[in-house]
Amino acid sequence: AQSVSQHNHHVILSEAASLELGCNYSYGGTVNLFWYVQYPGQHLQLLLKYFSGDPLVKGIKGFEAEFIKSKFSFNLRKPSVQWSDTAEYFCAVTPHYASKIIFGSGTRLSIRP
Amino acid sequence: DAGVIQSPRHEVTEMGQEVTLRCKPISGHDYLFWYRQTMMRGLELLIYFNNNVPIDDSGMPEDRFSAKMPNASFSTLKIQPSEPRDSAVYFCASSRQGQGDTQYFGPGTRLTVL
Repeated sequence: AQSVSQHNHHVILSEAASLELGCNYSYGGTVNLFWYVQYPGQHLQLLLKYFSGDPLVKGIKGFEAEFIKSKFSFNLRKPSVQWSDTAEYFCAVTPHYASKIIFGSGTRLSIRP
Repeated sequence: DAGVIQSPRHEVTEMGQEVTLRCKPISGHDYLFWYRQTMMRGLELLIYFNNNVPIDDSGMPEDRFSAKMPNASFSTLKIQPSEPRDSAVYFCASSRQGQGDTQYFGPGTRLTVL
């Protein structure tokens, strides 16, 4: 069965530090990839997505993610985090043939001001 | 567009009671999804609909859970009877297409079963 792994459960960084959150998926075929963000007390919002084309995807608020097919990875990055980036981040995958989206367990990001 | 609308935002009930959660998807979206979020299990897909028809309900935990979509603008998730372990935040989401299209989430219903 398909699955999504986010190995970091909780990440704590200081402001201006660089961020990389890992995401790996298990599925051999073509996939669509997403990062969603959930700010405290709010609902999930799309941060960025990859369907095809350039494997380096830029999203909102300075986030980007790189799809590395050979590693089945879609890691999220930001060069300099801000306190307002404190949130939970979910990686998600959908095989091209399916509508069902599979979410990772989430990574909680805490930023020290 | 108002986005996905869910009601109620908070629900506190006693064990054994029936609970009904409601969702209004974004107009024009053909897909509707129900999720449950807990600390222990994270975000789980319960069921999704395409054009008001349930497509995959394999995530529905038990027969106590049921979902309907009588028309394109309304869906319900019902738990009868409710149990304390059903306490969670329930999200509804909709998308224009399936096939990995972006899902738009509602604000969620925080359910507490005492």
